[in-house]
Amino acid sequence: GAVVSQHPSWVICKSGTSVKIECRSLDFQATTMFWYRQFPKQSLMLMATSNEGSKATYEQGVEKDKFLINHASLTLSTLTVTSAHPEDSSFYICSASLGRSYGYTFGSGTRLTVV
Amino acid sequence: DQQVKQNSPSLSVQEGRISILNCDYTNSMFDYFLWYKKYPAEGPTFLISISSIKDKNEDGRFTVFLNKSAKHLSLHIVPSQPGDSAVYFCAARAPSNTGKLIFGQGTTLQVKP
Repeated sequence: GAVVSQHPSWVICKSGTSVKIECRSLDFQATTMFWYRQFPKQSLMLMATSNEGSKATYEQGVEKDKFLINHASLTLSTLTVTSAHPEDSSFYICSASLGRSYGYTFGSGTRLTVV
Repeated sequence: DQQVKQNSPSLSVQEGRISILNCDYTNSMFDYFLWYKKYPAEGPTFLISISSIKDKNEDGRFTVFLNKSAKHLSLHIVPSQPGDSAVYFCAARAPSNTGKLIFGQGTTLQVKP
């Protein structure tokens, strides 16, 4: 079945630094990738949608300059949290899809802690 | 504005009995609904889905019911097993070109042996 690899699974960084999270579709080409954020005991909140080769579409309230998304190939999307602050600490999850008529495969998530 | 709501944060059932998890939505344009199972610090795992043109879909122990007039769906697990204990999220596919999903808040299911 479809597999999405997300790396790293956890990261601790200092306030003010940037962190990059990778999301790879291992056995299929994902035309669309989604990035979610989950706070403890809360829902998965969609941050942005990215299509290969085009700019990401950000949800309302998500700072595009802070959460940089790059979808350079059909198998790789990256989320960079720039100038991270403690309030950015969260669980970030990516999802990949072949298209609207197909299913969604989720990565295993990344626990980001900013100290 | 929470378009997908799971009003029960938790549910506890006895092993072997039925678990019923509920989900309500507000947008009548949602065309596809999915249920996911999730453990802490892991990504969601797909369980079962249903198209908006159907009212029931069954897969083994899992059945999803959709009541479009009430904008309500439910997941039935029969019989419940201790291994089913997890957080369950319902999600609705938005009417967009990309098919983005909108998630509910989740319901924590505990199945007691």
